[in-house]
Amino acid sequence: AQSVSQHNHHVILSEAASLELGCNYSYGGTVNLFWYVQYPGQHLQLLLKYFSGDPLVKGIKGFEAEFIKSKFSFNLRKPSVQWSDTAEYFCAVFRGSNYQLIWGAGTKLIIKP
Amino acid sequence: DTEVTQTPKHLVMGMTNKKSLKCEQHMGHRAMYWYKQKAKKPPELMFVYSYEKLSINESVPSRFSPECPNSSLLNLHLHALQPEDSALYLCASSQDFPGGGNEQFFGPGTRLTVL
Repeated sequence: AQSVSQHNHHVILSEAASLELGCNYSYGGTVNLFWYVQYPGQHLQLLLKYFSGDPLVKGIKGFEAEFIKSKFSFNLRKPSVQWSDTAEYFCAVFRGSNYQLIWGAGTKLIIKP
Repeated sequence: DTEVTQTPKHLVMGMTNKKSLKCEQHMGHRAMYWYKQKAKKPPELMFVYSYEKLSINESVPSRFSPECPNSSLLNLHLHALQPEDSALYLCASSQDFPGGGNEQFFGPGTRLTVL
């Protein structure tokens, strides 16, 4: 089945640790890729997006993601996390064929101070 | 103004009640969305309006009735809901639809509890 997979449902890190959250999708063809974040008690907001061009995209708050077409992946990274990065992170893929944003299950990130 | 506002923040209703959720954006976006989000799950698309016309209805039960009175407003009318409909209801907007998957701006949601 066509899907978006986020491999880790829960990640716990200490402050200053490096972060990588995995996202894989199973669609062929052209896709647009997104990472959204939902901080506790706050609304979903866009971290970064990839439509075309440089496969390494930079987003807000020091996050970046790399699109690897051959691996159908769009992993999110941050070199040094902060306690304030504690949140739920969602990867999403837009396919033009069904005009829908398909969401991964989310990764709950907890940063220990 | 990059804000999507939703009212009310919280709503508790009985199974026989009729209530409405409201959403507003002033970014000039022409697409608006309703999502349902259960705890620890991603948002599930319910409806998409594009230029004030319903473009997508994801087989949502008729007890949920969307309405788009103008390009800035989106309502969700609720009637005869079930306890399993309790969830966070999110409104979002984007520049247009499908637009290649433009960024969607989300509101804070309405936390609905059906007793």
